[in-house]
Amino acid sequence: DVVMTQTPPSLSVAIGQSVSISCKSSQSLVYSDGKTYLHWLLQSPGRSPKRLIYQVSNLGSGVPDRFSGTGSQKDFTLKISRVEAEDLGVYYCAQTTHFPLTFGSGTKLEIK
Amino acid sequence: EVQLVESGEGLVQPGSSMKLSCVASGFTFSNYGMNWIRQAPKKGLEWIALIYYDSSSKYYADSVKGRFTISRDNSKNTLYLEMNSLRSEDTAMYYCAKGAGGDYWGQGVMVTVSS
Repeated sequence: DVVMTQTPPSLSVAIGQSVSISCKSSQSLVYSDGKTYLHWLLQSPGRSPKRLIYQVSNLGSGVPDRFSGTGSQKDFTLKISRVEAEDLGVYYCAQTTHFPLTFGSGTKLEIK
Repeated sequence: EVQLVESGEGLVQPGSSMKLSCVASGFTFSNYGMNWIRQAPKKGLEWIALIYYDSSSKYYADSVKGRFTISRDNSKNTLYLEMNSLRSEDTAMYYCAKGAGGDYWGQGVMVTVSS
């Protein structure tokens, strides 16, 4: 199975600051079609997860452009610029290149 | 608007069976693969099953293989998860999610396995 290692496990940031979350996979996430199926999700408190970014760097519908994703092969980063109060929650990376589909262990973002 | 509404929540004893449903609306259900993903209390996300848009292929996590069955009825826009031989470690919130990349998720239903 592909192991997804997310760091840090938690972050505490002030409104307006920028943060980055790292996700590293144990195998390359490049599929045979040349695409990389690495996604980022946010689970706000008491809510179901919502996909923010798909295929490394594509913003989901309605997702503000304060969110951005970069990376390739086995090393990926989610950046949140100008954090807002609504950004708190747990962020997960997920890979859908290989079966079984796997998730990172999550990064909890708290607002100072 | 895409909506996924799960049902079938409940408390069951170890060894028993249960069936979850997920009714989809707001998109052409028959064009998309669908997933079941679960989250044990205070834990992270665990993918458990995926079914292709036409039911031609199904994939399972090892933790549920042989006990759980994913299926769908495209005429009813409904996804199912039949769960047999339930164990205490199956206690979790169960979500259905659209597409291989999970671009939309349902609100989830709680399954509790306990004697």
